[in-house]
This record gives sequence, C-alpha cells and structure tokens, in this order.
Amino acid sequence: DIQMTQSPSSLSASVGDRVTITCRASQSISSSLNWYQQKPGKAPQLLIYAASSLQSGVPSRFSGSGSGTDFTLTISSLQPEDFATYYCQQSYSTPWTFGPGTKVDIK
Amino acid sequence: EVQVVESGGGLVQPGRSLRLSCTASGFTFGDYAMSWFRQAPGKGLEWVGFIRRKVYGGTTEYAASVKGRFTISRDDSKSIAYLQMNSLKTEDTAVYYCTRVHSSSPESWGQGTLVTVSS
Repeated sequence: DIQMTQSPSSLSASVGDRVTITCRASQSISSSLNWYQQKPGKAPQLLIYAASSLQSGVPSRFSGSGSGTDFTLTISSLQPEDFATYYCQQSYSTPWTFGPGTKVDIK
Repeated sequence: EVQVVESGGGLVQPGRSLRLSCTASGFTFGDYAMSWFRQAPGKGLEWVGFIRRKVYGGTTEYAASVKGRFTISRDDSKSIAYLQMNSLKTEDTAVYYCTRVHSSSPESWGQGTLVTVSS
C-alpha cells in the first residue's frame, strides 16, 4: 500500500496569511493526487484533483503543485471560511489512501 | 445540480448486516464509477471501495479491511449504488460517504450516513 504523510499536522494562521501544506507519498504516484477540505460535521469537499487542477467552484486562492512523491497545497490569502482540516489522497493505485490531515485554525 | 444522498445507516449489533444506498441525481449515473468512503468518529478518512462503470465490466475494488464482508453494487436504471455490509464489527462504526468518481477523483460527496455497530 502507498503511505501518505502530511506536514504539518496542524498550524495556526491569521486571515490574509499564505499557507502551505505538504503531502508526501511513499512511492511515486505521478500526478494522481487529490486535496480535500473538511469542516467539522461536514462531508469533505474536493479542492484540487490531479495534483494541480482546480475543482469547479473552488476559489482561485487554492492551488496545488507537485508530482512523483512530493506535493503542496497553497492557500494564497487565508479567509475565515478556510479554517478546516485538509487531506491529501492518492488515486494512483488501490487501495486509495489518505494523509492523516492538517488542521488549520485561527491564530 | 449534481447530488448524491446516502441512506440506510443506523444502529446494528456486531455480526449483523446492513445495506446502505446512495441515490444520485443531476447526472447520467451510468457514465461514472461510484465509490464509498468512511470516517470513524474523530478519525481520518478511509477508502472502502468502488464500482466501475458497466462499460468497464462494473467490477469492484475493496479495502483489505472490508474485503469479503462488504459488497458494492449498482442499479443504473435507478441511479443507485449500494453498499452491502455483512459480519459487521465494532470497528466498522463510522460515517459512510458515497461519491461520484471522475478521472479517478472522488467528487460530489454526499452528506454521509452514520453506522453504529454496538451491542
């Protein structure tokens, strides 16, 4: 199975900050990497698919980059509604696996 | 509007069975693979399995933790995907989510349905 790790596990940031979350795969997954946002009590929402493609309806302040084993999710200017937990997930091979999540909260 | 709605969750005793349904609307159901995920209370996300489109044989893949106990099926005429869960264990307690899959990306998540396995 492909193991996914994320760093940091949590971070505190202010509105307007630039935030970067890193995801690493235990082996190359090409660009088969998705990013999700999840708020408490809600379903996950797909933000980025195929490592760098913005899902329809997602604000352009979200962006993704990377390929192979190292990936990054960037929020260019953090907004109040962005405080949530973010997960990466590989769809390169089954079993599909997720990172443990990064919780973004208010500084 | 693309929508998927899960139903069928509830409280069930260990060893018993439960069937979840995922009712889709707003898109041509048969054109998409469908996948199930789950999230135990306070934990992260876990993939359960998926079912391919009929044109690809409607074949299924499962996580090791549920293989042999869970079965995913689909009824394209009703736009419903099912998750049949047998021999349930306490560790199967979770919110179960259904998603449409586009180009190997799970999109359009439902609101989830809670399954509690307890005596």
